[in-house]
Formats: sequence, C-alpha cells, structure tokens
Amino acid sequence: SAVISQKPSRDICQRGTSLTIQCQVDSQVTMMFWYRQQPGQSLTLIATANQGSEATYESGFVIDKFPISRPNLTFSTLTVSNMSPEDSSIYLCSVKGHVSRSETQYFGPGTRLLVL
Amino acid sequence: LAKTTQPISMDSYEGQEVNITCSHNNIATNDYITWYQQFPSQGPRFIIQGYKTKVTNEVASLFIPADRKSSTLSLPRVSLSDTAVYYCLVGTNTGTASKLTFGTGTRLQVTL
Repeated sequence: SAVISQKPSRDICQRGTSLTIQCQVDSQVTMMFWYRQQPGQSLTLIATANQGSEATYESGFVIDKFPISRPNLTFSTLTVSNMSPEDSSIYLCSVKGHVSRSETQYFGPGTRLLVL
Repeated sequence: LAKTTQPISMDSYEGQEVNITCSHNNIATNDYITWYQQFPSQGPRFIIQGYKTKVTNEVASLFIPADRKSSTLSLPRVSLSDTAVYYCLVGTNTGTASKLTFGTGTRLQVTL
C-alpha cells in the first residue's frame, strides 16, 4: 500500500497565526486530497489538490482560508490560515492512483492541530 | 455521490463474527463500495473494496447483493483490537469525481 507521511504530526498554535501541513507519498499518485476530522466526527473533504493548477474546493471551504499547493505528483501542502479555535481538528492527506493499487484511496496518519 | 446509511454503533464479544450492513440505495452504475477502519488518532485504513457479489481477503469479506443497494462487511472472529470505527463509502474510481465522501461510520466495541 501507499506510504504517506505528514508533517507536523501535531501542533499547538495561537489564534491568528497560520500553519502549513506537508504531505509526502512514497511514489507518484494521480490524485491527492485533504480532509478534516473534528473531534468525535467523521471525515469531511476540504479539497482536491491538483498538480499544476488550483485546488478544487468543496462547499464551505475557500482558498483564502485553506491554500493548497501540489508542486509534483508526490507532495502537497495545506495551509490553515488565520486560525481560530474552531480550526482545531485532525487534518488528513489522502491519495489515489498509487502504483500498489490504483483504485484504492489511502490516508496519511493525520496532523492533530489545537488552536488556543 | 451516493449517500450511505449504517448503524451508529455495534457491540460484540471477542471471537464472534460481526456483520455490519450499509445501505446505499442511490448507488450509481460506476460506483464501487469501499470499507475503511479507523482507530483513534490514526488515519482510516483500507479494508476491502468490491463492485458486486462477494469479495474476500485476509481481513474481511464483503457481500453485495445483485441490486447493489446494500452491502455487508463481515469480520470473522473479532478480537479486542478490532474495536474501531468502520466506514462504508461508495464512489467511482475514475475521473475528477473519483473522491470519497464519508458518512457517520459504525463504532464497533469488542469486549471479552
């Protein structure tokens, strides 16, 4: 299966600041996604990270708040901007089209964010 | 994307077989059915995926009737370590629509 790493694994941040989360995959993938999981809740898709073009955001999520980059087929970043306590959540990177099993969507370990 | 409905929680004793059923009445022709397992503080882990009939791997079996409006994840002889949240998802595997939408999941509690 795909090996996905995320940095940082966790962080505590002050409100009003921004945090950039990195996602690295062990080999090229066709699709990369970012999800959010609030405490005790299910996962919510934030956006699809597109290589070479702007990310595609789901309803309720905007680029100014969650800018995303995907410079190549193995790496993506998600920035949580101007954070507030409501942004406290686990942020998960997910990929599809990995060489091990192209039709399966794999998830990273997540980044646990606490905003004070 | 097809919406799924599954029980919020289930309880089982260690060593029993557990069957979790998921309803997806609006599943599309191109949709696959995928199940994930999630432990606290970890990302979801792929368990099994199928399109129709029965799929079996080393972890679980997936039963899908002919109309594909539901599916059942079967976990044989569960252990305490199978305590987790199990998500049923449906979605296509191709193109820009190839993304998964999560429902509420089923919280399975296994006890001695």
